[in-house]
Amino acid sequence: DAGVTQSPTHLIKTRGQQVTLRCSPKSGHDTVSWYQQALGQGPQFIFQYYEEEERQRGNFPDRFSGHQFPNYSSELNVNALLLGDSALYLCASSLAILTESDEQFFGPGTRLTVL
Amino acid sequence: AQSVAQPEDQVNVAEGNPLTVKCTYSVSGNPYLFWYVQYPNRGLQFLLKYITGDNLVKGSYGFEAEFNKSQTSFHLKKPSALVSDSALYFCAVRASGDYKLSFGAGTTVTVRA
Repeated sequence: DAGVTQSPTHLIKTRGQQVTLRCSPKSGHDTVSWYQQALGQGPQFIFQYYEEEERQRGNFPDRFSGHQFPNYSSELNVNALLLGDSALYLCASSLAILTESDEQFFGPGTRLTVL
Repeated sequence: AQSVAQPEDQVNVAEGNPLTVKCTYSVSGNPYLFWYVQYPNRGLQFLLKYITGDNLVKGSYGFEAEFNKSQTSFHLKKPSALVSDSALYFCAVRASGDYKLSFGAGTTVTVRA
């Protein structure tokens, strides 16, 4: 049973560029959440996708956008990259009907470095 | 708004000794509480959760946590720590009706042989 997978593992970009990160949820899961984990900090919620719609959003600017596909996989897009966007980006999946009580399963993350 | 505080940046214990990692939370309504562990260059692994019921929750790898509503705490414990327990531990809370997890800043646990 495959867990949550993310690609790429590492990414280096320069300021002003755009980046797309990808996530495939755990088998049987239909909900994907994205988190940003800056160095030395806990993960911060970016947004959650369910039924191909953004269901909830954290305190992140519009430069951060996402998409969920019919197969439940998801993309995180970040435009106009800033140095401060350097972080580990984590994808987590869960089952919608159990969202409140169920734990989220996390992928290994994508390490984004902005130069 | 919901938040989590992990008052200790680091916890150091000797192998075989009890391990406690502290967590306090603030949330409106009933809390859903979680502990995750993160090893270097890895994602987060789920350890245990409190939803309702018994205040003592048992989880993976011999870890347990005690929910205390009056003190709004959810401390992680392990009776006998192992060197392999050395990692970064995160406490997280979700409010009823909310979808996001709010994490603490994390506590680095070092278990010396």
